[in-house]
Formats: sequence, structure tokens, C-alpha cells
Amino acid sequence: QQQVKQSPQSLIVQKGGISIINCAYENTAFDYFPWYQQFPGKGPALLIAIRPDVSEKKEGRFTISFNKSAKQFSLHIMDSQPGDSATYFCAAENQAGTALIFGKGTTLSVSS
Amino acid sequence: NAGVTQTPKFQVLKTGQSMTLQCAQDMNHEYMSWYRQDPGMGLRLIHYSVGAGITDQGEVPNGYNVSRSTTEDFPLRLLSAAPSQTSVYFCASSYPPGGKNNEQFFGPGTRLTVL
Repeated sequence: QQQVKQSPQSLIVQKGGISIINCAYENTAFDYFPWYQQFPGKGPALLIAIRPDVSEKKEGRFTISFNKSAKQFSLHIMDSQPGDSATYFCAAENQAGTALIFGKGTTLSVSS
Repeated sequence: NAGVTQTPKFQVLKTGQSMTLQCAQDMNHEYMSWYRQDPGMGLRLIHYSVGAGITDQGEVPNGYNVSRSTTEDFPLRLLSAAPSQTSVYFCASSYPPGGKNNEQFFGPGTRLTVL
């Protein structure tokens, strides 16, 4: 049973375009939703995160939109750059903080 | 700060061999965990620890053993390696939940191949 579903699996965007990655979760007990960015050969690194008490969080070109009633959240990358080419994982953390449940990942390629 | 370190970076084993993947962190984090990453599967939690002497199972614990004798170290043991354990293994650490930022810090990974 996949608790966090992520789409699309891969995404190609032109430089300067908007990249959008979507995630849906099932467990309403989740209360922390981070996005991780991973470059080839490296470990994932926290990009941006949100809690369910807000509907949107923006950090520079990266924005999380959160819809609690629909149990969905998405990552928007504005003005996408070739350096943004990486694999992006959405995740949900259980209330005890003992586990991150990851989506399967989205490979983003930004063409110049 | 070195952050989270993992050794070795690469390892090739034969079926049935045992080995230990090492993980250490110097951030005084109480929480540590092990994930495996397989193509198209994301990262899946193997075992985690909420403090020295306390460990628990994650989503895919079979074939793996852990212990946590110090705050800094959290080794992962493969008891009898199988080809299904071919994967990239990541160790992560974090502060306990409750703060605004529950960031998990990941190590660089160990790429394991079991023949």
C-alpha cells in the first residue's frame, strides 16, 4: 500500500518554464510534508517543507501548495534552470517523527 | 562539522556473505535511520533509532540488523546477503520532532551489489 503517491515519474521543462510535481497522501495523521532534492551520486537534501496549517509556502523560486481537504500537495519550480535538473521526492512524516514516507520520485530535466 | 558520514562508498558481496555498513554523525542528533533506494521505488525505511539503546523496524527490515550503542553511530548489518539487497543505502539523522524544522540530514550513500 503506497501511502504517498507522486507524479509524474519524469518531467522535461524548458529553461525559464514552470515545473510542477504533484503528491497525494492517504494518512490524515501525517503532519509534516517535506520535499527533498537529490543529485546523481548524492544523498537527498531538504529543499522546502510545509505543515498542514498553511496552504502555501514559498522560498525563492520554490513553492509548495497544500490542499488539506484533498490530501494533496505540490511543488512548483518557477523560472526552472538547468541546475534544477535532479530527482525530487515528496515525503510525509508520521506524528511521532520516527519515519519519512517517500514518494517514488520525479526526475526533472531542464533543457537549455 | 562532517555531518553524516557513511562507509564504504561501494561494496560488492557474494550471496551469503555478511557485512556492516557504517554510519556516523557529529551533529548530536538523537534520531537516526537507514533507508534503501531502488530505481522507481523511492526511499524505503529499513530501521530507525530514537536514541542510544533504542531501535525499531521500518517498512523493509527483513535481512537487516541494527544497534545503537552511542549517539553518534548507527551501523547496519546484513546477516546473509542476498541479490535482492542490491541497492543504494542511505543513513539519515535528525533532531526529535516538535520543532518547526524536522529536517533529516542524509549521508552520501553506500552502493551495494550482491552477486
